[in-house]
Amino acid sequence: EVVLTQSPDFHSATPKEKVTITCRASQSVSSSLHWYQQKPGQSPKLLIKFASQSNSGVPSRFSGSGSGTDFTLTINSLEAEDAATYYCHQSGSLPRTFGQGTKVEIK
Amino acid sequence: QEYLVESGGGVVQPGTSLRLSCAASGFTFSSYGMHWVRQAPGKGLEWVAIISYDGSNKYYADSVKGRFTISRDNSKNTVSLQMNSLRLADTAVYYCAKGWLEFDYWGQGTLVTVSS
Repeated sequence: EVVLTQSPDFHSATPKEKVTITCRASQSVSSSLHWYQQKPGQSPKLLIKFASQSNSGVPSRFSGSGSGTDFTLTINSLEAEDAATYYCHQSGSLPRTFGQGTKVEIK
Repeated sequence: QEYLVESGGGVVQPGTSLRLSCAASGFTFSSYGMHWVRQAPGKGLEWVAIISYDGSNKYYADSVKGRFTISRDNSKNTVSLQMNSLRLADTAVYYCAKGWLEFDYWGQGTLVTVSS
């Protein structure tokens, strides 16, 4: 099973700040790494697919990078509406697995 | 507009069974793999099961293998999760999600509470 480890677990930032979340896989998943945003009381939404491809309708301040075992989600110029928990997910092998989540708080 | 609507959740006792359903609309259901993903209260996401677009391939998380069964009816645009021998640890919001590799759309979830 591929274990995904996100860092940090929690991040508090001010509006307009740049936020970086990392996801490290226990073995290579090539580019089969996706990022989701989950706001309180809502279901998750796909932000980035295949490491760097933005999903339709996602604001351009969200971007992803990486391949193999190391991946990054970047939020440029954080906005109040970005307060949420962010999860990485790998589809390189079964079972599908998720990172533990990173909660982003707006100061 | 795509829609996924889960139903069938509730409060059950350990050892009993429950069947969840997910009704899909707004896309060609028979062309897509479907998943069940769960989230225990206050916890992260856990993948549960996947079924291919035609129902010929099914895979399960080890935590539910042998107890849960995923199925689909492409004539009714529904995917189901039969959950047997439920345990306290199965308490969670259960989401159905569309896609094979990435989950590009999720339902709102249905809460399953296993309690004695």
